[in-house]
Amino acid sequence: QKEVEQDPGPLSVPEGAIVSLNCTYSNSAFQYFMWYRQYSRKGPELLMYTYSSGNKEDGRFTAQVDKSSKYISLFIRDSQPSDSATYLCAMSFYSGGYQKVTFGTGTKLQVIP
Amino acid sequence: NAGVTQTPKFQVLKTGQSMTLQCAQDMNHNSMYWYRQDPGMGLRLIYYSASEGTTDKGEVPNGYNVSRLNKREFSLRLESAAPSQTSVYFCATPLVAGAYGYTFGSGTRLTVV
Repeated sequence: QKEVEQDPGPLSVPEGAIVSLNCTYSNSAFQYFMWYRQYSRKGPELLMYTYSSGNKEDGRFTAQVDKSSKYISLFIRDSQPSDSATYLCAMSFYSGGYQKVTFGTGTKLQVIP
Repeated sequence: NAGVTQTPKFQVLKTGQSMTLQCAQDMNHNSMYWYRQDPGMGLRLIYYSASEGTTDKGEVPNGYNVSRLNKREFSLRLESAAPSQTSVYFCATPLVAGAYGYTFGSGTRLTVV
């Protein structure tokens, strides 16, 4: 079993829809939770990060963490064609002098105009 | 991607050939990382460098060597390339010093035939 599981999609939605992207994890040591967006042929860029359980909002994006269920989500409101990308979840904890980060495999999202 | 520059962007090698992937960051951070990204596998850490003069193995170091030339530069070397090393390689450094979350380079797309 992978430490971090993420549905690869692809997920196709109409413009303006609410998008829900999810990851589950098995390692209780994870302390920090991140979402990256990766456009085709580009490097991942950090979208949001959070430490505690609960919600964190940034514009159209909301990150949600439920540590008791080992489940994290990213919600995108009023989705735009420019949101079409692959979304990677990532989780980390501090071990041996550095942040040990585990990435999900990514969910490919297409927002159709 | 701002702050991390990778060269080359594309490379085709024959099995057994060697090459060095270059990475430079202008963010003045101590730590730097090399990842590979493969379909269905997510991003996996090859090597990291916590500071100038130190390097450590990550999750998948076999077949690779690294050099932290100075604070800015961290290179990844394939001594004898194999088809299994066909991948996209990303260099990363923290987005903010001491915090979690990385900024990535734009990647090197390597094919070994």
